[in-house]
Amino acid sequence: LAKTTQPISMDSYEGQEVNITCSHNNIATNDYITWYQQFPSQGPRFIIQGYKTKVTNEVASLFIPADRKSSTLSLPRVSLSDTAVYYCLVGPSSGSARQLTFGSGTQLTVLP
Amino acid sequence: ETGVTQTPRHLVMGMTNKKSLKCEQHLGHNAMYWYKQSAKKPLELMFVYSLEERVENNSVPSRFSPECPNSSHLFLHLHTLQPEDSALYLCASSQDWGGGGTGNTIYFGEGSWLTVV
Repeated sequence: LAKTTQPISMDSYEGQEVNITCSHNNIATNDYITWYQQFPSQGPRFIIQGYKTKVTNEVASLFIPADRKSSTLSLPRVSLSDTAVYYCLVGPSSGSARQLTFGSGTQLTVLP
Repeated sequence: ETGVTQTPRHLVMGMTNKKSLKCEQHLGHNAMYWYKQSAKKPLELMFVYSLEERVENNSVPSRFSPECPNSSHLFLHLHTLQPEDSALYLCASSQDWGGGGTGNTIYFGEGSWLTVV
């Protein structure tokens, strides 16, 4: 199983770029990497997903090196409202509970 | 609005009561899930349904009984719960069971806060 490891917490200031790295040394060939954001008392929300290289959408970028043993979620110019828990999940596209299993995530706190 | 609706949002029940949580998804997905999230703990996957059939049951006590009458609706029937069952219960869905992969993102509802007294 591709177990993931993330920092427990990170602090940042408004307007800074934040990079959260997830290690997944045992990632399988058919595994995707997905990041979710969760605010208190709400369900997680999909942020971005990738398989290799770089993916960018309107809220974040995902960098995946060639060996795919880690990935980095990049949040540009964070604001106070980006304070949340961020989860990295790794698993195949379907038919497995691995992409359904959330770890402890990274608590990002954005300071004024 | 994620397309996954849960009711009720808040529920207080006694240990001898029987109640149910309801989830409905308007996304045309084939898979639905129940998660439990206790205070300051990671989400715990409880049940997985794919095309109305239970695919996964992660050692959940029998006092939690899921029901999936069709691919759009999912229920969690609760009976003789314990105070430690107080938590946020989240329903989610995805196109195919397992999540992940392009076009198979998991969408969560807002959750149902359950307090057992």
